[in-house]
Amino acid sequence: EPEVTQTPSHQVTQMGQEVILRCVPISNHLYFYWYRQILGQKVEFLVSFYNNEISEKSEIFDDQFSVERPDGSNFTLKIRSTKLEDSAMYFCASRGGSSYNSPLHFGNGTRLTVT
Amino acid sequence: AQSVSQHNHHVILSEAASLELGCNYSYGGTVNLFWYVQYPGQHLQLLLKYFSGDPLVKGIKGFEAEFIKSKFSFNLRKPSVQWSDTAEYFCAVGRGGGSQGNLIFGKGTKLSVKP
Repeated sequence: EPEVTQTPSHQVTQMGQEVILRCVPISNHLYFYWYRQILGQKVEFLVSFYNNEISEKSEIFDDQFSVERPDGSNFTLKIRSTKLEDSAMYFCASRGGSSYNSPLHFGNGTRLTVT
Repeated sequence: AQSVSQHNHHVILSEAASLELGCNYSYGGTVNLFWYVQYPGQHLQLLLKYFSGDPLVKGIKGFEAEFIKSKFSFNLRKPSVQWSDTAEYFCAVGRGGGSQGNLIFGKGTKLSVKP
């Protein structure tokens, strides 16, 4: 079964540094998402992306965050200047566009640790 | 604002016991409802979903959930749990009619099944 893959599985960075989290969605999917889960807290929606633009974003997704689909396969989340509170598990998800009922497929996540 | 409440943080059961995990949401409009499961070290996987129609939905691995609109609830049930059901379970709500990927998750319920 095709999977959403995320790299790296764990990223450690210093406060103020830029990080890029990478995702390869399922190849024929059209809708892409980033979620995050701070340790011990709920999974939170960050952003959705369709047709090469952001379709929806949450309050969390401020100017420090950006997303990009630089080629036909990758979907990246960039945090320009990381803060301690950005430490979390970041999940990428994708969804096919052929059916309104098509479910989200999640990747295994990237654990980001900001020190 | 939408919110999702999962009443139990950690549930411990013996094998063959029956399971019911509570989920309540707050949103006045049409909703899509989901239960996701996260096995240790793995990604979020869809257990079942409700969009419309029969409020009793059946998912994978013997799980089912019932949408009770008047109670704003979507409780997850399984008549007889197995050790392999040990995982974290997340209830999620999306707005009906579109933006299906922008899901609001509950905090999750950790299920531990003793062999």
